[in-house]
Amino acid sequence: GQQLNQSPQSMFIQEGEDVSMNCTSSSIFNTWLWYKQDPGEGPVLLIALYKAGELTSNGRLTAQFGITRKDSFLNISASIPSDVGIYFCAGQLRSQGNLIFGKGTKLSVKP
Amino acid sequence: GAGVSQSPSNKVTEKGKDVELRCDPISGHTALYWYRQSLGQGLEFLIYFQGNSAPDKSGLPSDRFSAERTGGSVSTLTIQRTQQEDSAVYLCASRSGSGSYEQYFGPGTRLTVT
Repeated sequence: GQQLNQSPQSMFIQEGEDVSMNCTSSSIFNTWLWYKQDPGEGPVLLIALYKAGELTSNGRLTAQFGITRKDSFLNISASIPSDVGIYFCAGQLRSQGNLIFGKGTKLSVKP
Repeated sequence: GAGVSQSPSNKVTEKGKDVELRCDPISGHTALYWYRQSLGQGLEFLIYFQGNSAPDKSGLPSDRFSAERTGGSVSTLTIQRTQQEDSAVYLCASRSGSGSYEQYFGPGTRLTVT
């Protein structure tokens, strides 16, 4: 089946640092979504991208829909402790109704 | 309610028993999805309902899994003769269906098969 490669799998942050993560696919997607999931909860939608090359911000979060339609990145600027959690990218193929998810990037605080 | 709700939040069952998981989508949303999330993994698509169309069942892992959506609203996911590998968090999502691709998730049901 279709797969999204999300990286990094995990990362440690210090408060104030900028964070970057990305997803790539061998297939062309017409929509990219980024979600955050906290323990014991369902994923929460952060940003939705609909056009190749689109750059969208939501507060300290910025995401881009790659020009080839096969990749997307998410940046978090000036991270704060509540940014910890698991971030998922998800893509939708034009021909399908369901989302295809990456395996997630786990953000933790540096000890 | 304002969001997607799911019940129960936790379910422990013995191997071989049947279970039913419920999802109440956001009012007015015409599309409803079920996903499964195993420990430390991403979300695996199971089934998708859109309005009155036949559901897309392409993600169901076996014929022990089935789902219904009554009256275009509430959905029930049924797992028959549960196996230990069915243990996971089952997530439901809904979408408005009016040109939006944004899916909104419920809190999930954590299923443990002993």
